[in-house]
Amino acid sequence: SAVISQKPSRDICQRGTSLTIQCQVDSQVTMMFWYRQQPGQSLTLIATANQGSEATYESGFVIDKFPISRPNLTFSTLTVSNMSPEDSSIYLCSVVWERGNYGYTFGSGTRLTVV
Amino acid sequence: GESVGLHLPTLSVQEGDNSIINCAYSNSASDYFIWYKQESGKGPQFIIDIRSNMDKRQGQRVTVLLNKTVKHLSLQIAATQPGDSAVYFCAESTFRGSYKLIFGSGTRLLVRP
Repeated sequence: SAVISQKPSRDICQRGTSLTIQCQVDSQVTMMFWYRQQPGQSLTLIATANQGSEATYESGFVIDKFPISRPNLTFSTLTVSNMSPEDSSIYLCSVVWERGNYGYTFGSGTRLTVV
Repeated sequence: GESVGLHLPTLSVQEGDNSIINCAYSNSASDYFIWYKQESGKGPQFIIDIRSNMDKRQGQRVTVLLNKTVKHLSLQIAATQPGDSAVYFCAESTFRGSYKLIFGSGTRLLVRP
């Protein structure tokens, strides 16, 4: 399976600012995803990060608020823009790996607190 | 630190008993299902998976059952241990589709010593 390095692991940010989260994978992967986990809740898919093109966003998430980049098959970033306290969540990167079979790997997450 | 599963339904079991965690999934076209365990401050940890051409799969101390007729998934943990205390999520995806992994709402498992 793939190994993910996600940075930062946590941050405390002022409202109105932006934070960029990085996801680095140790091997080339086809699919990369970004999730949000609000306090006490399940994981919600934000978007699919597409290599070399605009991300595909799920209902309720927009590019202006959560711009995503994916310049190659091993790296992606998620930016949380113009933050408010409601953005306080854990943000997780996930990838699909294929080695004959396929599976999913998750990063350890970025715990964001907006004050 | 912040707790995972603070507002989720809780299943409380005695150490040594068997646990059964249930999940209703939404998409009848889903063909791959995964159970994850999440402890506070950590990302989801893979437990066991099952594909739609199966109705049962066993791992070490865990069994997943799939009932496609009623779109129901369950996770059975044998001889539950204190280390099993965590939040458990089911997730579904469509292998021949977008590969998007969609999570259920989760259940908090509390093991009493």
